[in-house]
Amino acid sequence: KAGVTQTPRYLIKTRGQQVTLSCSPISGHRSVSWYQQTPGQGLQFLFEYFSETQRNKGNFPGRFSGRQFSNSRSEMNVSTLELGDSALYLCASSLGNRANQPQHFGDGTRLSIL
Amino acid sequence: TQLLEQSPQFLSIQEGENLTVYCNSSSVFSSLQWYRQEPGEGPVLLVTVVTGGEVKKLKRLTFQFGDARKDSSLHITAAQPGDTGLYLCAGASGANNLFFGTGTRLTVIP
Repeated sequence: KAGVTQTPRYLIKTRGQQVTLSCSPISGHRSVSWYQQTPGQGLQFLFEYFSETQRNKGNFPGRFSGRQFSNSRSEMNVSTLELGDSALYLCASSLGNRANQPQHFGDGTRLSIL
Repeated sequence: TQLLEQSPQFLSIQEGENLTVYCNSSSVFSSLQWYRQEPGEGPVLLVTVVTGGEVKKLKRLTFQFGDARKDSSLHITAAQPGDTGLYLCAGASGANNLFFGTGTRLTVIP
């Protein structure tokens, strides 16, 4: 069974640009969650999509947005990039029926802002 | 937002030593998960504990869920270099909410 795939693995952008990250979940998983991971703040929840609808949202500014397609693949977009957006962005998929189901993580996209 | 505090934040020990990592909250969780993340990879689920007081063993790792379902501990016996990584606890609350802890970074020195 293929795991969660995130593309690209590495990305370098400059301030003010925008970026789109992609996540392909495990087949059959309907929930995709996005997280930002930094050394100082740890793993912070961005948002969760289930059946193409945003079901949960963390405390991030509106520059961070996402969407989910009918095949459960998800994209995350960050506009007007800031230096502080440099981080590892992880997505995780699950069946999504209950909160205690395991989250299956991809290996992340490392975003560096110059 | 349910806050899950993990302690210690950093831990460096010699191979063969025992250690315990703690995950504490003032909130009650319906279940608690433990993940390990190695450099360059995403977190991987180790175990899920559901019942207050539950103890689960995974080889040299012992996980316990507090009686009140507000805290959990992870005990590693005879640590090995392969145990090195970032350990994350995550508490489930409500229908679809999962809250991750602050993390414990473990280094096992050969």
